[in-house]
Amino acid sequence: DVKVTQSSRYLVKRTGEKVFLECVQDMDHENMFWYRQDPGLGLRLIYFSYDVKMKEKGDIPEGYSVSREKKERFSLILESASTNQTSMYLCASSTSGTGVTEAFFGQGTRLTVV
Amino acid sequence: AQKITQTQPGMFVQEKEAVTLDCTYDTSDPSYGLFWYKQPSSGEMIFLIYQGSYDQQNATEGRYSLNFQKARKSANLVISASQLGDSAMYFCAVCSYTGGFKTIFGAGTRLFVKA
Repeated sequence: DVKVTQSSRYLVKRTGEKVFLECVQDMDHENMFWYRQDPGLGLRLIYFSYDVKMKEKGDIPEGYSVSREKKERFSLILESASTNQTSMYLCASSTSGTGVTEAFFGQGTRLTVV
Repeated sequence: AQKITQTQPGMFVQEKEAVTLDCTYDTSDPSYGLFWYKQPSSGEMIFLIYQGSYDQQNATEGRYSLNFQKARKSANLVISASQLGDSAMYFCAVCSYTGGFKTIFGAGTRLFVKA
C-alpha cells in the first residue's frame, strides 16, 4: 500500500513562529504536493515538486516555502506564521509514470495559529 | 493556467437514484488527466475515477462513470444507485502532463444522500 505520512495531525503555533510541516512517502513517487483546504475553497495548491531539489509555485505560495532534499520527503515551511494560515494542510504524492497518475494523500495536519 | 470549476456547493439525492456532479476545467496543455476524489467526514481523500485527455471512451468504475466532453471541457461524475455511504465531499481535479504533473482541485460538491 502507498503510504503518505504527515508528521503531525494537529499543531498549535503562535503568530510569528517558524513552522515546519513534514511529509514522507514510501512509494518512490517523483511528484509531491502541498495543499491547504478551507471550507468553500476546496484544495488550493501551495507548492509542488517533480524531482529532488526542484520546486514550483502553486496558486497560493505567499508566506510559504518548501524543501525537497530527498525524494521521499517534502517539507512545507511557514516562515512567520500568521492567523490567516490557520487551515488544514494536505500533502500528496504521485508518479510520473504511464497510466493513471492519481494522487495519494496524507491524513492532513490541522494547523491553528494563535 | 489551470482551473477547475464545480458550480454545485451542495446536492441532495434520494437513495438508489442516480446523481450527476458537475465539473468544468480549463487548461492549455494538450495532455492532461481528469480525476474525481471522495472525501468522507473522516477526512481521507479517496480516488474514484480517472479520464485521460486522449481517451476516446468515458471512464467507468463500478457505480461511478465520468461523462467526458472534451470540446466543452466538461468532466461530470455520475453516481448510479446512490447509497447512504456516498454522502461526502467530492472533488474534481486536473493534472497537467506537460506542466510537471501540476494537479489542481475544484472547490468541491457536498453530496447528501437521503434515505
